[in-house]
Amino acid sequence: EAQVTQNPRYLITVTGKKLTVTCSQNMNHEYMSWYRQDPGLGLRQIYYSMNVEVTDKGDVPEGYKVSRKEKRNFPLILESPSPNQTSLYFCASSLNRVGEQYFGPGTRLTVT
Amino acid sequence: DQQVKQNSPSLSVQEGRISILNCDYTNSMFDYFLWYKKYPAEGPTFLISISSIKDKNEDGRFTVFLNKSAKHLSLHIVPSQPGDSAVYFCAASKGGGADGLTFGKGTHLIIQP
Repeated sequence: EAQVTQNPRYLITVTGKKLTVTCSQNMNHEYMSWYRQDPGLGLRQIYYSMNVEVTDKGDVPEGYKVSRKEKRNFPLILESPSPNQTSLYFCASSLNRVGEQYFGPGTRLTVT
Repeated sequence: DQQVKQNSPSLSVQEGRISILNCDYTNSMFDYFLWYKKYPAEGPTFLISISSIKDKNEDGRFTVFLNKSAKHLSLHIVPSQPGDSAVYFCAASKGGGADGLTFGKGTHLIIQP
């Protein structure tokens, strides 16, 4: 089954404790991206990757890092999480940059 | 500066009637538009798209209309069904999609029985 998986689905952590949210897709897609969804703000792109070892900043990259060492995986790293990063995070992938994006189920992160 | 705007946070429609969701954009470089549907506790799912070379695209009960001169697109759902109750996001991409997708804030569609 074609899918995008994210782990964990729910995470509560404390300020400053490094965390990683994993994202994996099994569709051999080149393009992957991370979004955050906040009430009243819709979906905002954090980072995207056009292929292995190629990443670039989206609209709200501050406080986040990503890596793309393999085509299928695109982890989101928060080196020092802060409360304003409490949000719902979605990973997505697509065959190309303009193509229909397939979204993961989301990770709800709370930083206290 | 919001480049993709969905000015109605919510919309209530009776089952069986037509639902019309609207979206406006400001960037004339956008040339590909998509609609996504999102249920609670799930990721958004692709619904329908339209290229700027077209003014209409239809898929079953869903039709998207694009008015380039007005920088406006709309999603029509006919007839509306209870399972259509969800948040609908409009998204846009520009030439080659170098920046990926820019999303609107979403419209919560509620289908009343």
